[in-house]
Amino acid sequence: AQKVTQAQTEISVVEKEDVTLDCVYETRDTTYYLFWYKQPPSGELVFLIRRNSFDEQNEISGRYSWNFQKSTSSFNFTITASQVVDSAVYFCALSEANFGNEKLTFGTGTRLTIIP
Amino acid sequence: DGGITQSPKYLFRKEGQNVTLSCEQNLNHDAMYWYRQDPGQGLRLIYYSQIVNDFQKGDIAEGYSVSREKKESFPLTVTSAQKNPTAFYLCASRLGTREAPTGSTIYFGEGSWLTVV
Repeated sequence: AQKVTQAQTEISVVEKEDVTLDCVYETRDTTYYLFWYKQPPSGELVFLIRRNSFDEQNEISGRYSWNFQKSTSSFNFTITASQVVDSAVYFCALSEANFGNEKLTFGTGTRLTIIP
Repeated sequence: DGGITQSPKYLFRKEGQNVTLSCEQNLNHDAMYWYRQDPGQGLRLIYYSQIVNDFQKGDIAEGYSVSREKKESFPLTVTSAQKNPTAFYLCASRLGTREAPTGSTIYFGEGSWLTVV
């Protein structure tokens, strides 16, 4: 069975600080996909990134970066120079490549508060 | 605009009543999903459907029912058998197996808040 653990329930940082959100996953599959979503107060889940298990290259998108390490089963998310608009709940999720039976398993989320 | 539309945004249900949450998508996605989110918790899968006229139970299907008569629609009924239905419900969809065999991104609607009164 697949599992995603986000050990940090809540994080608060002062604006402009860097912050890293941790994500550890468990799966028996060799092919799988990892995702990060942002949930602002409005409730909608906003897709941020998808990564497949064969691509361990780190990715950077503006102030966002992701560090995927298969050796430690981690897919951490870093926000550089945080802004108040980054305040939200962030979810890490895992999808096994189960053809015809795909579904996402979510972590419990990390609530990030950026203090002005 | 393309996307996933959930309605209503807010719904109040009396105990013992069945209610249906609507989910419509115009993204031409094959797979659709329903998730439940409780305060301070992650999302849990209720039901999902990979193709029309077929659906499977997720992790917490008891007290819920779905139908998938059309590709673009996947309504969720919260029955009176669901003992604690107050929650935030999110519908999602994914490009299906014909175009993207596995791992395509799942996109979400804006959610529906259900409260039992």
